[in-house]
Amino acid sequence: AQRVTQPEKLLSVFKGAPVELKCNYSYSGSPELFWYVQYSRQRLQLLLRHISRESIKGFTADLNKGETSFHLKKPFAQEEDSAMYYCALWPYSGGYQKVTFGTGTKLQVIP
Amino acid sequence: DAGVIQSPRHEVTEMGQEVTLRCKPISGHDYLFWYRQTMMRGLELLIYFNNNVPIDDSGMPEDRFSAKMPNASFSTLKIQPSEPRDSAVYFCASSRDGLAGGPGTGELFFGEGSRLTVL
Repeated sequence: AQRVTQPEKLLSVFKGAPVELKCNYSYSGSPELFWYVQYSRQRLQLLLRHISRESIKGFTADLNKGETSFHLKKPFAQEEDSAMYYCALWPYSGGYQKVTFGTGTKLQVIP
Repeated sequence: DAGVIQSPRHEVTEMGQEVTLRCKPISGHDYLFWYRQTMMRGLELLIYFNNNVPIDDSGMPEDRFSAKMPNASFSTLKIQPSEPRDSAVYFCASSRDGLAGGPGTGELFFGEGSRLTVL
């Protein structure tokens, strides 16, 4: 069974400071990893996925299979980044499997 | 497409009453999911459907919860009788078949959620 761990419930940083939201996973196969974001009172939406290797809104995330991590990073935090962030794992293995979410980290950017 | 549509957006009810939450997935999506979001537990998967058939309901808390998907464009999550500990935001999400490949597969598209308060 797969598992996603986000160790921090709350992360507070000052505007302009670097941000790193941690995500560790356990899964025996090759998963796809995602970061979803939920702004205040809005729906969850996909921020980025590791296979795209994109930078969205200045955020990047690298899949480290050795450390089984998929940390989300941004060099300079902005106030509009304040939101709830969920790391998610999709154990794609040729047949559909359900997505597993971490418990989420609330990012608070202090002006 | 308007995206995943949920109703009601807010529901306040008294303990013991029946609650029905509704969801319209994105047209063409094969999978529909019901999640519950709380501060303590984050996002919990309650149940999901593939082509209107329930595949995994292991996350449904107890028999008071039931879900149906009578057709490809509609699903309900029912709580009867409701209890104060059921208070949460309930999200519906849909997805395309991952086997189809291409961009977007594996991605979940969420509705705006139904905020339930049971007094």
